[in-house]
Amino acid sequence: AQSVTQPDIHITVSEGASLELRCNYSYGATPYLFWYVQSPGQGLQLLLKYFSGDTLVQGIKGFEAEFKRSQSSFNLRKPSVHWSDAAEYFCAVGLSSGSARQLTFGSGTQLTVLP
Amino acid sequence: NAGVTQTPKFQVLKTGQSMTLQCAQDMNHEYMSWYRQDPGMGLRLIHYSVGAGITDQGEVPNGYNVSRSTTEDFPLRLLSAAPSQTSVYFCASSPGRGRMFFGEGSRLTVL
Repeated sequence: AQSVTQPDIHITVSEGASLELRCNYSYGATPYLFWYVQSPGQGLQLLLKYFSGDTLVQGIKGFEAEFKRSQSSFNLRKPSVHWSDAAEYFCAVGLSSGSARQLTFGSGTQLTVLP
Repeated sequence: NAGVTQTPKFQVLKTGQSMTLQCAQDMNHEYMSWYRQDPGMGLRLIHYSVGAGITDQGEVPNGYNVSRSTTEDFPLRLLSAAPSQTSVYFCASSPGRGRMFFGEGSRLTVL
């Protein structure tokens, strides 16, 4: 079975600083990979996804993520964090067979942005 | 376009009571699912459905029932609530390829 690890429970950065959130996955084949963001009291919103092809994917709100097969990682990055980026971020992996509608989520990383 | 609508948003139950969390989507998605979110554990899949009349168990199905009589609706039933079911519940629908649309969540407390 696939699994997802987000090693950082909580990260604090200053506004304007760069950000990298870590995600490692365990899966026997090439997975579909996702990052979702959850603002307080809200459901999850898709930031970006990787299915195949270019290993650097661009998402909404200025986020990007890089798939590194050799490291089984899919880290999320942003060059300059805004106060509105404060939220919880979830990495997820989906089955690469079928339509990838079942996702396994990591435990999440809470991002705090300091003014 | 309402997307995924969950009701109620908040509910308090006593141990042993039953209730139904409602979920409706207006995007004509075949796939719908229920997750529970607990601190430090991310989202865990309870049940899912790949179309009307078809449901299956996820990672943590015990204590929950689902049915899917229409494409639009996917209710989650708690048969006999337990304190361990205190959680935030999310319904989601998907057109496929991992793009999931989530409701705003239902916060359940079982005393």
